[in-house]
Amino acid sequence: DAGVIQSPRHEVTEMGQEVTLRCKPISGHNSLFWYRQTMMRGLELLIYFNNNVPIDDSGMPEDRFSAKMPNASFSTLKIQPSEPRDSAVYFCASSPDRYRGMGEQYFGPGTRLTVT
Amino acid sequence: AQKITQTQPGMFVQEKEAVTLDCTYDTSDQSYGLFWYKQPSSGEMIFLIYQGSYDEQNATEGRYSLNFQKARKSANLVISASQLGDSAMYFCAMREGRGYSTLTFGKGTMLLVSP
Repeated sequence: DAGVIQSPRHEVTEMGQEVTLRCKPISGHNSLFWYRQTMMRGLELLIYFNNNVPIDDSGMPEDRFSAKMPNASFSTLKIQPSEPRDSAVYFCASSPDRYRGMGEQYFGPGTRLTVT
Repeated sequence: AQKITQTQPGMFVQEKEAVTLDCTYDTSDQSYGLFWYKQPSSGEMIFLIYQGSYDEQNATEGRYSLNFQKARKSANLVISASQLGDSAMYFCAMREGRGYSTLTFGKGTMLLVSP
């Protein structure tokens, strides 16, 4: 089975530009998570969805960040406008039904975003 | 207070030796889960092992075992017979409760395995 798929793997953009990160979760998983990882702050949860519904977006830094999950197999994280401090690795993770499982999350390879 | 504490920023071990990576946690929930993830230099996060709060036996997955001491709120990862490919960042994480819940990650421990 394919794991979590993220695109692009690397993104370099100029400050002020819109950035869209994409994620395809593992088929059958009903929870999806977006994380940001930096050296200074470690791994931070931005938002998570359950059955395509946003459950907790308290980690989204500010209004410049938005996330959608239009269906069970696709999610996007958008930053508009981007700023240099948004430079980080962005991970998407998915998890099976936690009532039946243990709640482990499977991570995608990440998108390394550089905003100049 | 931090929910997950990993006190070792870095650890060194020689190939074929065992190593223990420390993790302590803080929760008032009775039902919780503890996880370890590995992040090699390539960047991906790899799920290694899980321990449930009600599990009486320590979890094991191949060369990985979790030394779960509930009263002390510790969940140390033990890697037996270290290999060069074990060199990576290791993160401890916790899920509190059941249902809609997220993982809280520690800051990680960098493990370097030398020949």
